[in-house]
Amino acid sequence: QKEVEQNSGPLSVPEGAIASLNCTYSDRGSQSFFWYRQYSGKSPELIMSIYSNGDKEDGRFTAQLNKASQYVSLLIRDSQPSDSATYLCAVNLYNNDMRFGAGTRLTVKP
Amino acid sequence: DVKVTQSSRYLVKRTGEKVFLECVQDMDHENMFWYRQDPGLGLRLIYFSYDVKMKEKGDIPEGYSVSREKKERFSLILESASTNQTSMYLCASSLFGLAGSDTQYFGPGTRLTVL
Repeated sequence: QKEVEQNSGPLSVPEGAIASLNCTYSDRGSQSFFWYRQYSGKSPELIMSIYSNGDKEDGRFTAQLNKASQYVSLLIRDSQPSDSATYLCAVNLYNNDMRFGAGTRLTVKP
Repeated sequence: DVKVTQSSRYLVKRTGEKVFLECVQDMDHENMFWYRQDPGLGLRLIYFSYDVKMKEKGDIPEGYSVSREKKERFSLILESASTNQTSMYLCASSLFGLAGSDTQYFGPGTRLTVL
């Protein structure tokens, strides 16, 4: 079992819809969780970090963490074509042992 | 804003050459990382450093070495480049390794082609 798993997609949503991206992880000791956005040919940029169970909102983005289910998700409300990118889920087990998922490719269609 | 810079965006080298990739961060971060990213394989950690002159192997250190002589600078060295080292190389830094200060910030990447 991979340490961090994401659906590779592609995930396609119409403009204005909610995009839902999911990630599961294998190690219950994981302490920190991140979502990065990566445009083609560019480096990952941080969207959000989350450390506690529950929801964390930042503008159109909401991260959800459920440690009991070992599950973290990212919701993008009012999706825009500029949101089209690959989204990477990252999990820090402990002290720099960061593991990345393979990424989910999102396409937002005008 | 955290700024991580890498010495080259694109690099073309020949098999057997020694290659240096440099990374500089300006936020006084303790930790620095080198990853490579390949299609279908995601991000894989090569080496990281948690202090000056300290280094730890990541998942794929073979064929690579690193140097951290100053806190802000972390170099990746390919001792004898091979075609299977053609990849996107990403440098990252973080303040510390513990929750709350472990966000990694990435540089723009170096796309290395070895012919």
